[in-house]
Amino acid sequence: AQTVTQSQPEMSVQEAETVTLSCTYDTSESDYYLFWYKQPPSRQMILVIRQEAYKQQNATENRFSVNFQKAAKSFSLKISDSQLGDAAMYFCAYSPDLQGAQKLVFGQGTRLTINP
Amino acid sequence: EAQVTQNPRYLITVTGKKLTVTCSQNMNHEYMSWYRQDPGLGLRQIYYSMNVEVTDKGDVPEGYKVSRKEKRNFPLILESPSPNQTSLYFCASRYGRWETQYFGPGTRLLVL
Repeated sequence: AQTVTQSQPEMSVQEAETVTLSCTYDTSESDYYLFWYKQPPSRQMILVIRQEAYKQQNATENRFSVNFQKAAKSFSLKISDSQLGDAAMYFCAYSPDLQGAQKLVFGQGTRLTINP
Repeated sequence: EAQVTQNPRYLITVTGKKLTVTCSQNMNHEYMSWYRQDPGLGLRQIYYSMNVEVTDKGDVPEGYKVSRKEKRNFPLILESPSPNQTSLYFCASRYGRWETQYFGPGTRLLVL
C-alpha cells in the first residue's frame, strides 16, 4: 500500500528566511505524481506545487521549490523568503499513474509558523 | 468564477439522523472525490467518481454513500451518522486524470 509520511508535525521560521518541509513516500510504482498542498486557517486546500515522477528536473513555483529524490522516495518543499501569509498546514500527497486511478494519498501534515 | 461549492459549511446533527452534504462544480470536470480530514491523519479518500453513474470506494467508505446523476453534482450521504463521522469533509474535482484537483471550502460536521 502506498503511504506518505511527514515526520515534522510542526515547523517555525523567521520571516524572510528559508524553510524546508520533509516528505517521504512508499510505492512500488515507477510513474506517479507528487503534490504539496497548503491549508491556511480558512481550511481551503490550495495546490502549491506538483511534480511528475518521470521528470528529473525539480518543480519550481516562484518562492516554492521541491527537492525530488526518486531513489530515496523523498519529496521536500523549500520555501524561500518566508512571508507571514505562508503560515498554514502543509500536506504532501501522492497519486499513482494508473489507468483510471483516482487515488490521492495524503501525509499527516506539517504546521508551519512564521515568526515576524 | 471556477469553483467547487459545498453545502452546508457547518452542520451539527444527532446520531442516526440521515444527512446529505452537497457538492457542485462549474468546471465541467469528469473526476470528483470526497475526503475527510482528521487531526494527525491528513486527508483520507472516501469515494470517487470518474463520470456520471461511475463511482467507486476510496480508503474509508464505510458509513457513506454517494451518487453521480449529473456531471456537476456529487453529493455525500450519511444514512445513519455516528459520532466517529465527526470530521471536516472536502469535495474535490479535476478535469483529467493528471490534472490538479480543485477543493471545495470544506464542511465541518459534528455528530452528537
